Amino acid sequence: GAVVSQHPSRVICKSGTSVKIECRSLDFQATTMFWYRQFPKQSLMLMATSNEGSKATYEQGVEKDKFLINHASLTLSTLTVTSAHPEDSSFYICSAKTIWDEQFFGPGTRLTVL
Amino acid sequence: DAKTTQPPSMDCAEGRAANLPCNHSTISGNEYVYWYRQIHSQGPQYIIHGLKNNETNEMASLIITEDRKSSTLILPHATLRDTAVYYCIVRVGDMRFGAGTRLTVKP
Repeated sequence: GAVVSQHPSRVICKSGTSVKIECRSLDFQATTMFWYRQFPKQSLMLMATSNEGSKATYEQGVEKDKFLINHASLTLSTLTVTSAHPEDSSFYICSAKTIWDEQFFGPGTRLTVL
Repeated sequence: DAKTTQPPSMDCAEGRAANLPCNHSTISGNEYVYWYRQIHSQGPQYIIHGLKNNETNEMASLIITEDRKSSTLILPHATLRDTAVYYCIVRVGDMRFGAGTRLTVKP
Protein backbone atom coordinates (compact mmCIF):
# COMPACT_ATOMS: atom_id res chain seq x y z
CA GLY A 1 0.00 0.00 0.00
CA ALA A 2 0.89 3.66 -0.24
CA VAL A 3 3.07 5.19 2.46
CA VAL A 4 2.22 8.20 4.59
CA SER A 5 4.78 9.62 6.99
CA GLN A 6 4.47 12.01 9.90
CA HIS A 7 7.08 14.12 11.59
CA PRO A 8 7.81 14.28 14.42
CA SER A 9 6.68 10.96 15.88
CA ARG A 10 6.52 12.47 19.34
CA VAL A 11 6.92 15.95 20.74
CA ILE A 12 6.93 17.42 24.22
CA CYS A 13 6.40 21.14 24.57
CA LYS A 14 5.66 23.76 27.17
CA SER A 15 2.22 25.22 27.61
CA GLY A 16 1.70 28.28 25.41
CA THR A 17 4.05 27.24 22.63
CA SER A 18 3.07 26.23 19.11
CA VAL A 19 3.82 22.86 17.55
CA LYS A 20 3.88 21.96 13.87
CA ILE A 21 3.24 18.40 12.66
CA GLU A 22 4.00 17.40 9.08
CA CYS A 23 2.18 14.77 7.05
CA ARG A 24 3.66 13.55 3.78
CA SER A 25 2.45 11.11 1.15
CA LEU A 26 5.70 9.49 0.07
CA ASP A 27 4.86 7.67 -3.14
CA PHE A 28 1.65 9.23 -4.37
CA GLN A 29 -0.05 12.57 -4.75
CA ALA A 30 -2.91 13.28 -2.41
CA THR A 31 -5.41 15.97 -3.28
CA THR A 32 -7.13 15.38 0.05
CA MET A 33 -5.59 14.81 3.45
CA PHE A 34 -7.31 14.36 6.78
CA TRP A 35 -6.32 15.09 10.37
CA TYR A 36 -7.55 13.02 13.29
CA ARG A 37 -7.08 13.20 17.04
CA GLN A 38 -7.17 10.24 19.40
CA PHE A 39 -7.34 10.49 23.16
CA PRO A 40 -6.32 7.50 25.34
CA LYS A 41 -8.69 4.54 25.12
CA GLN A 42 -10.86 6.35 22.58
CA SER A 43 -11.39 6.06 18.85
CA LEU A 44 -10.05 8.40 16.20
CA MET A 45 -11.98 11.62 15.78
CA LEU A 46 -11.88 13.48 12.49
CA MET A 47 -10.71 17.06 13.03
CA ALA A 48 -10.51 18.47 9.54
CA THR A 49 -10.32 17.74 5.85
CA SER A 50 -7.59 19.44 3.88
CA ASN A 51 -7.65 19.96 0.14
CA GLU A 52 -4.55 21.05 -1.72
CA GLY A 53 -4.56 24.76 -2.42
CA SER A 54 -7.72 25.56 -0.51
CA LYS A 55 -8.82 26.19 3.05
CA ALA A 56 -9.39 23.22 5.32
CA THR A 57 -12.87 22.17 6.37
CA TYR A 58 -13.11 21.72 10.12
CA GLU A 59 -15.44 19.42 12.02
CA GLN A 60 -17.89 20.91 14.46
CA GLY A 61 -16.24 21.80 17.72
CA VAL A 62 -12.71 22.01 16.31
CA GLU A 63 -11.25 25.51 16.58
CA LYS A 64 -9.78 26.52 13.25
CA ASP A 65 -7.70 29.29 14.82
CA LYS A 66 -6.13 26.86 17.22
CA PHE A 67 -5.47 24.04 14.78
CA LEU A 68 -4.00 25.64 11.67
CA ILE A 69 -3.88 23.40 8.64
CA ASN A 70 -1.88 24.10 5.51
CA HIS A 71 -1.95 21.86 2.44
CA ALA A 72 0.45 23.65 0.15
CA SER A 73 1.38 20.76 -2.11
CA LEU A 74 0.01 17.43 -3.27
CA THR A 75 2.32 15.57 -0.91
CA LEU A 76 2.45 17.71 2.22
CA SER A 77 -0.03 18.90 4.80
CA THR A 78 0.87 20.51 8.11
CA LEU A 79 -1.07 20.87 11.34
CA THR A 80 0.02 23.60 13.73
CA VAL A 81 -1.32 23.48 17.27
CA THR A 82 -1.13 27.08 18.39
CA SER A 83 -0.70 28.09 22.03
CA ALA A 84 -0.85 24.48 23.10
CA HIS A 85 -2.23 23.57 26.52
CA PRO A 86 -2.16 20.30 28.45
CA GLU A 87 -5.65 19.41 27.24
CA ASP A 88 -4.29 19.40 23.67
CA SER A 89 -2.06 16.46 24.59
CA SER A 90 -3.18 13.67 22.28
CA PHE A 91 -2.23 11.34 19.45
CA TYR A 92 -2.56 13.18 16.14
CA ILE A 93 -2.91 11.08 13.00
CA CYS A 94 -3.08 12.17 9.40
CA SER A 95 -4.29 10.30 6.36
CA ALA A 96 -4.08 10.87 2.63
CA LYS A 97 -6.45 9.85 -0.09
CA THR A 98 -5.28 8.47 -3.44
CA ILE A 99 -6.90 9.14 -6.80
CA TRP A 100 -8.50 5.70 -6.45
CA ASP A 101 -10.25 6.90 -3.29
CA GLU A 102 -8.14 4.73 -1.01
CA GLN A 103 -7.15 6.28 2.30
CA PHE A 104 -3.84 5.55 3.99
CA PHE A 105 -2.84 6.64 7.45
CA GLY A 106 0.35 7.99 8.92
CA PRO A 107 2.00 6.47 12.01
CA GLY A 108 0.77 9.27 14.26
CA THR A 109 2.38 11.99 16.37
CA ARG A 110 2.14 11.91 20.13
CA LEU A 111 1.94 15.42 21.55
CA THR A 112 2.52 16.03 25.23
CA VAL A 113 2.02 19.56 26.53
CA LEU A 114 3.52 20.22 29.94
CA ASP B 1 -22.43 8.13 6.70
CA ALA B 2 -24.10 4.96 7.94
CA LYS B 3 -23.26 3.87 11.45
CA THR B 4 -21.76 0.55 12.35
CA THR B 5 -22.11 -1.69 15.38
CA GLN B 6 -19.30 -3.97 16.49
CA PRO B 7 -18.78 -6.01 19.65
CA PRO B 8 -16.42 -4.15 21.98
CA SER B 9 -14.06 -7.08 22.42
CA MET B 10 -13.30 -10.60 21.26
CA ASP B 11 -10.75 -13.27 22.03
CA CYS B 12 -9.28 -15.75 19.60
CA ALA B 13 -6.84 -18.63 20.00
CA GLU B 14 -3.61 -18.38 18.09
CA GLY B 15 -3.77 -20.30 14.81
CA ARG B 16 -7.55 -20.27 14.71
CA ALA B 17 -9.72 -18.15 12.44
CA ALA B 18 -10.90 -14.85 13.89
CA ASN B 19 -14.36 -13.83 12.71
CA LEU B 20 -15.19 -10.20 13.45
CA PRO B 21 -18.80 -9.16 12.84
CA CYS B 22 -20.12 -5.74 11.91
CA ASN B 23 -23.68 -4.53 11.57
CA HIS B 24 -24.43 -1.67 9.20
CA SER B 25 -28.18 -1.91 8.74
CA THR B 26 -28.57 1.65 7.39
CA ILE B 27 -25.91 1.34 4.70
CA SER B 28 -26.83 2.99 1.43
CA GLY B 29 -26.30 1.60 -2.04
CA ASN B 30 -23.10 3.46 -2.88
CA GLU B 31 -21.33 3.04 0.47
CA TYR B 32 -18.38 0.71 0.68
CA VAL B 33 -17.50 -1.39 3.72
CA TYR B 34 -13.92 -0.82 4.89
CA TRP B 35 -11.92 -2.56 7.57
CA TYR B 36 -8.90 -1.07 9.29
CA ARG B 37 -7.00 -2.13 12.35
CA GLN B 38 -4.95 -0.19 14.85
CA ILE B 39 -2.18 -1.73 16.83
CA HIS B 40 -1.40 0.13 20.03
CA SER B 41 0.12 3.58 19.47
CA GLN B 42 0.24 3.23 15.69
CA GLY B 43 -1.79 4.66 12.84
CA PRO B 44 -4.66 2.61 11.40
CA GLN B 45 -3.68 -0.04 8.87
CA TYR B 46 -5.89 -0.77 5.88
CA ILE B 47 -7.06 -4.38 5.70
CA ILE B 48 -9.72 -4.78 3.05
CA HIS B 49 -12.83 -3.22 1.56
CA GLY B 50 -15.82 -4.23 -0.54
CA LEU B 51 -19.13 -3.09 -1.94
CA LYS B 52 -21.30 -6.15 -2.54
CA ASN B 53 -19.14 -9.14 -3.34
CA ASN B 54 -16.98 -11.06 -0.95
CA GLU B 55 -13.35 -10.05 -1.10
CA THR B 56 -10.09 -11.75 -0.19
CA ASN B 57 -6.53 -10.54 -0.01
CA GLU B 58 -3.33 -11.65 1.63
CA MET B 59 -4.46 -10.36 5.02
CA ALA B 60 -8.11 -11.30 5.32
CA SER B 61 -11.45 -12.15 3.77
CA LEU B 62 -14.51 -9.94 3.83
CA ILE B 63 -17.94 -11.53 3.71
CA ILE B 64 -20.84 -9.15 3.03
CA THR B 65 -24.40 -10.40 3.38
CA GLU B 66 -26.65 -10.24 0.36
CA ASP B 67 -28.73 -7.43 1.86
CA ARG B 68 -25.46 -5.64 2.79
CA LYS B 69 -26.70 -4.99 6.30
CA SER B 70 -23.83 -6.82 7.91
CA SER B 71 -20.38 -8.12 7.18
CA THR B 72 -17.70 -10.31 8.71
CA LEU B 73 -13.97 -9.88 8.58
CA ILE B 74 -12.13 -13.18 8.69
CA LEU B 75 -8.49 -13.54 9.68
CA PRO B 76 -7.91 -17.16 8.64
CA HIS B 77 -5.04 -18.01 10.97
CA ALA B 78 -4.74 -15.46 13.73
CA THR B 79 -1.32 -14.76 15.22
CA LEU B 80 -0.33 -12.84 18.33
CA ARG B 81 0.58 -9.90 16.08
CA ASP B 82 -3.05 -9.64 15.00
CA THR B 83 -3.98 -8.36 18.46
CA ALA B 84 -5.40 -4.90 17.72
CA VAL B 85 -8.55 -2.79 17.56
CA TYR B 86 -10.45 -3.56 14.37
CA TYR B 87 -12.65 -0.89 12.84
CA CYS B 88 -15.50 -1.49 10.41
CA ILE B 89 -16.40 1.67 8.49
CA VAL B 90 -18.99 2.30 5.83
CA ARG B 91 -18.28 5.29 3.69
CA VAL B 92 -18.64 7.10 0.48
CA GLY B 93 -16.71 10.15 1.65
CA ASP B 94 -14.82 10.83 4.87
CA MET B 95 -13.48 7.94 6.93
CA ARG B 96 -15.12 8.14 10.35
CA PHE B 97 -14.29 5.67 13.08
CA GLY B 98 -16.58 4.03 15.58
CA ALA B 99 -15.44 2.28 18.73
CA GLY B 100 -14.22 -0.86 16.96
CA THR B 101 -13.60 -4.35 18.32
CA ARG B 102 -10.59 -5.06 20.47
CA LEU B 103 -9.34 -8.46 19.31
CA THR B 104 -6.99 -10.29 21.63
CA VAL B 105 -5.22 -13.31 20.18
CA LYS B 106 -4.16 -15.68 22.94
CA PRO B 107 -1.45 -18.34 22.82
